Amino acid sequence: DTAVSQTPKYLVTQMGNDKSIKCEQNLGHDTMYWYKQDSKKFLKIMFSYNNKELIINETVPNRFSPKSPDKAHLNLHINSLELGDSAVYFCASSQDGLGGRTEAFFGQGTRLTVV
Amino acid sequence: AQSVAQPEDQVNVAEGNPLTVKCTYSVSGNPYLFWYVQYPNRGLQFLLKYITGDNLVKGSYGFEAEFNKSQTSFHLKKPSALVSDSALYFCAVRDGASGGSYIPTFGRGTSLIVHP
Repeated sequence: DTAVSQTPKYLVTQMGNDKSIKCEQNLGHDTMYWYKQDSKKFLKIMFSYNNKELIINETVPNRFSPKSPDKAHLNLHINSLELGDSAVYFCASSQDGLGGRTEAFFGQGTRLTVV
Repeated sequence: AQSVAQPEDQVNVAEGNPLTVKCTYSVSGNPYLFWYVQYPNRGLQFLLKYITGDNLVKGSYGFEAEFNKSQTSFHLKKPSALVSDSALYFCAVRDGASGGSYIPTFGRGTSLIVHP
């Protein structure tokens, strides 16, 4: 009964490939997020999405795109992978009906290694 | 605009001693403040938050934090540290001002090491 689950947990792939990371939440939350955590453990927001609005961090390359088939899922698709994309990617969700006063629930992370 | 700072990359404390992990913030409206903990190879877990009301907030695992508006701080504390508290701690802030983003800004994280 994991609240936020992402697959795969580990992903090793070659430069230039296209890959997807899946995320699902069973909490009934309105908003989902993707974060990137680099080797120094810095956490950077990539996308935020609810059923009305997609907010994109302008520093994220357009090779990254979120795809949401429904409210419970927000997948991350990455085109033409580069070495610098190697990081841990976290999916999260929150119930933001109160305008951002609620905490986020995070998945276990996907460790992406580009070789 | 909203920002948050965790001035210490690492905090070392002996087991049984009190611990403090520092966090300061900057917002234009009222702050919504959060603490999260990340254990190795795990996702972040929510510890506690301040939205409004009592300045002293109690959270999971015996942690608490004190909101200080004049010092724009929200330091995380625990009276007696455990070795199992060793982890990475993140402070996050959201600006409650009208028109502010609902996406919180995270600090750079503080590694807490509790020595036996």
